Amino acid sequence: KNEVEQSPQNLTAQEGEFITINCSYSVGISALHWLQQHPGGGIVSLFMLSSGKKKHGRLIATINIQEKHSSLHITASHPRDSAVYICAAEGGAQKLVFGQGTRLTINP
Amino acid sequence: DVKVTQSSRYLVKRTGEKVFLECVQDMDHENMFWYRQDPGLGLRLIYFSYDVKMKEKGDIPEGYSVSREKKERFSLILESASTNQTSMYLCASSLGMTSGSYTGELFFGEGSRLTVL
Repeated sequence: KNEVEQSPQNLTAQEGEFITINCSYSVGISALHWLQQHPGGGIVSLFMLSSGKKKHGRLIATINIQEKHSSLHITASHPRDSAVYICAAEGGAQKLVFGQGTRLTINP
Repeated sequence: DVKVTQSSRYLVKRTGEKVFLECVQDMDHENMFWYRQDPGLGLRLIYFSYDVKMKEKGDIPEGYSVSREKKERFSLILESASTNQTSMYLCASSLGMTSGSYTGELFFGEGSRLTVL
């Protein structure tokens, strides 16, 4: 069993829909990262959180430490949100364990 | 803006060749990392470095070595490339945890896709 599990693996939605991607982890963590990878490879850091909730534009990330679960939400989704979203659990000193990613496709 | 530059986007090498993958960052970051990314396996840490001349093994260091002679440059070396090292290699950097500006944010390069024939 992977230490970091994401669901769903693939998600297709229509423009404007509310999107939720889930991440569960089995290790103790100091922080949880959400990353975005566009076709071609480049990865961008979206959030790093250790408790509660963070918001940036249409993106919201939440974490429940007791349940070892985090979610990434996208409101009013747009085709440009199409990407692979990756969560990663940080055990300390920035050593990350990555989930396998969720491929999101937003159709116009 | 922070820029992490990887020397080659695409490389094709033959089995047994020595391969150098270079990574340079321009924001004076202490921490640098090398990952490989494979379908179904996600990103896995090969080596990391918290300072010049320092290196630590990650989860899959076998078959790789690294060099960090200058703070801005972190090189990944495949001494004798093998077909199972065909992969996407990603470099990342971040501020040190003792930095007053530490946010934990990682900055990634665009990746180097290596094919070993």
